[in-house]
Amino acid sequence: SQELEQSPQSLIVQEGKNLTINCTSSKTLYGLYWYKQKYGEGLIFLMMLQKGGEEKSHEKITAKLDEKKQQSSLHITASQPSHAGIYLCGADGGEWTGANNLFFGTGTRLTVIP
Amino acid sequence: DAMVIQNPRYQVTQFGKPVTLSCSQTLNHNVMYWYQQKSSQAPKLLFHYYDKDFNNEADTPDNFQSRRPNTSFCFLDIRSPGLGDAAMYLCATSRAGRPSYNEQFFGPGTRLTVL
Repeated sequence: SQELEQSPQSLIVQEGKNLTINCTSSKTLYGLYWYKQKYGEGLIFLMMLQKGGEEKSHEKITAKLDEKKQQSSLHITASQPSHAGIYLCGADGGEWTGANNLFFGTGTRLTVIP
Repeated sequence: DAMVIQNPRYQVTQFGKPVTLSCSQTLNHNVMYWYQQKSSQAPKLLFHYYDKDFNNEADTPDNFQSRRPNTSFCFLDIRSPGLGDAAMYLCATSRAGRPSYNEQFFGPGTRLTVL
């Protein structure tokens, strides 16, 4: 079975600092998703990557998928307290069932200190 | 706004007493999913419905069942909750899958406590 490892597990940064979260897979990724979760709430979709070398940005968040499609990174520029939360990478199971069955990484808890 | 709604947000039940969690969506998506998320862990897929077709994950216990009476609603039934079933239960929806990879829209979750 495929596993997703995220690093670091937790991160504390000063407001205004840049940071990077990594997501590594043991197998090729088919559809890599980044979600954010605030404590006790549902998941908020950030970005989805499909192609090797693909990069997407939204506001101050940039996600990349490497050429081999086994590693993705999420980079936040000039972090703000609103960026605090748990960041989860998720990947498609790779088997066609008609649905996008996601399995998730272990999560990275981000704290931003004002 | 189109959304995924889960009721109740918090549910307390007794050990062994059946409980039902509800999910509704206004997105008209084909697929509805149920995930279990235990404290400090990643969400784990229990099963999904593709229209009326039910797809169970191999390691989902028999204690967990689901119903989808129509496109908008999906229920999670836990027949005999154990202490280990205490968790956040997340419902999600998406348009039909392949060949495109579609975003899943998540509800706010129902936090289940088992006494």
